[in-house]
Amino acid sequence: GDSVTQMEGPVTLSEEAFLTINCTYTATGYPSLFWYVQYPGEGLQLLLKATKADDKGSNKGFEATYRKETTSFHLEKGSVQVSDSAVYFCALSSGSARQLTFGSGTQLTVLP
Amino acid sequence: DAGVIQSPRHEVTEMGQEVTLRCKPISGHDYLFWYRQTMMRGLELLIYFNNNVPIDDSGMPEDRFSAKMPNASFSTLKIQPSEPRDSAVYFCASSQGARLNEQFFGPGTRLTVL
Repeated sequence: GDSVTQMEGPVTLSEEAFLTINCTYTATGYPSLFWYVQYPGEGLQLLLKATKADDKGSNKGFEATYRKETTSFHLEKGSVQVSDSAVYFCALSSGSARQLTFGSGTQLTVLP
Repeated sequence: DAGVIQSPRHEVTEMGQEVTLRCKPISGHDYLFWYRQTMMRGLELLIYFNNNVPIDDSGMPEDRFSAKMPNASFSTLKIQPSEPRDSAVYFCASSQGARLNEQFFGPGTRLTVL
């Protein structure tokens, strides 16, 4: 079945540091890939997505590129802010399925 | 525009009691999802509906859990009887079929079963 593997957290960075959160997947066919973010006490929000190989999703300074050859969708940001502290979830949806398969989430804390 | 609305935000109950969680999806969305989030198991899909019809309930943990969607603007998740291991945050999410899989999540209900 489909699965998503994220790098283990928690991740702690200083403000303005470079961020990478690794995500790899296993899926049948050609899945769509997503990054969701969950701020403390809130529900998940879509951060970015990519629907085909080599697509780059971007939003709020975050980027992720759909790499079919390595089955990866790593999240990056060049300069993190304290306000980026949250839990980040990688997810996929394959075929005609409407449900998402989520990774385990990565807690990010950014220190001033 | 109001987002997905869930109630209550917090629920504390005793083992054996019935618990009902409520969700109002975004108007115009035809898919509704119920998730459970725990530290041990992460985010799990319990059930989802399309046009008020349950499509996949394979994630419902056992017969104590049931979900209904009597109309396009309301859904319930019921646990009867509740057990301490049901303690979790329960999220409702909705999406519009035409927008590929972008799900909008509610704020969640934090359930504590004593």
